Amino acid sequence: QVQLVQSGPEVKKPGASVKVSCKASASTFPPSGVNWVRQAPGQGLEWMGWISTYNGNTDYAPRFQGRVMMTTDTSTNTAYMELRSLTSDDTAVYYCASGATKAVFFDYWGQGALVTVSS
Amino acid sequence: EIVMTQSPATLSVSLGEGATLSCRASQSSKSNLAWYQQKPGQAPRLLIYGASTRATGIPARFSGSGSGTEFTLTISSLQSEDFAVYFCQQYNNWPWTFGQGTKVEIK
Repeated sequence: QVQLVQSGPEVKKPGASVKVSCKASASTFPPSGVNWVRQAPGQGLEWMGWISTYNGNTDYAPRFQGRVMMTTDTSTNTAYMELRSLTSDDTAVYYCASGATKAVFFDYWGQGALVTVSS
Repeated sequence: EIVMTQSPATLSVSLGEGATLSCRASQSSKSNLAWYQQKPGQAPRLLIYGASTRATGIPARFSGSGSGTEFTLTISSLQSEDFAVYFCQQYNNWPWTFGQGTKVEIK
């Protein structure tokens, strides 16, 4: 059973960057890779992008292109999502998520990491 | 990108009653649609994929149907643990997109 454990809450100032981690605890990531999905307070879900844990290939949603970077460290079974040039609109819970068999829907989710952007 | 529209925004249902949630895509998603359940303070949980296939461990009272642009999630007899927010997600056209959710509350 895959368990995804994320880093803790962060508070950042506008213009700063944040890096959220996601560790596959007691296992490796599924071959489908790792997705990142965010949820602003009281809002719906927004897919940010995907990274292959096999070769590091990435696929970012257009609205985050140029501002997001997803990486993995296979030696520690950890994935990272870095978001730059933060604004208050980036205040959200950030989830990592993986599919058991496919990369496009998500059986496994981290517990979420709240990122608050405030001056 | 495909816009997913869920209705209603809130559904008030009594215990033991059935519930029908709708999800409409702005263009065809074929059968590439998933449903998730989310409870307060928790991550979403996958219920349905392929529009109608239940994920592992999901009770039979949850069923999905539809294809193209119109999809439905049906809960046949609501249990107390089913009161939550439900999201649909299309994965036919990149980037993957979610609906805004339907909250199922106790009547």
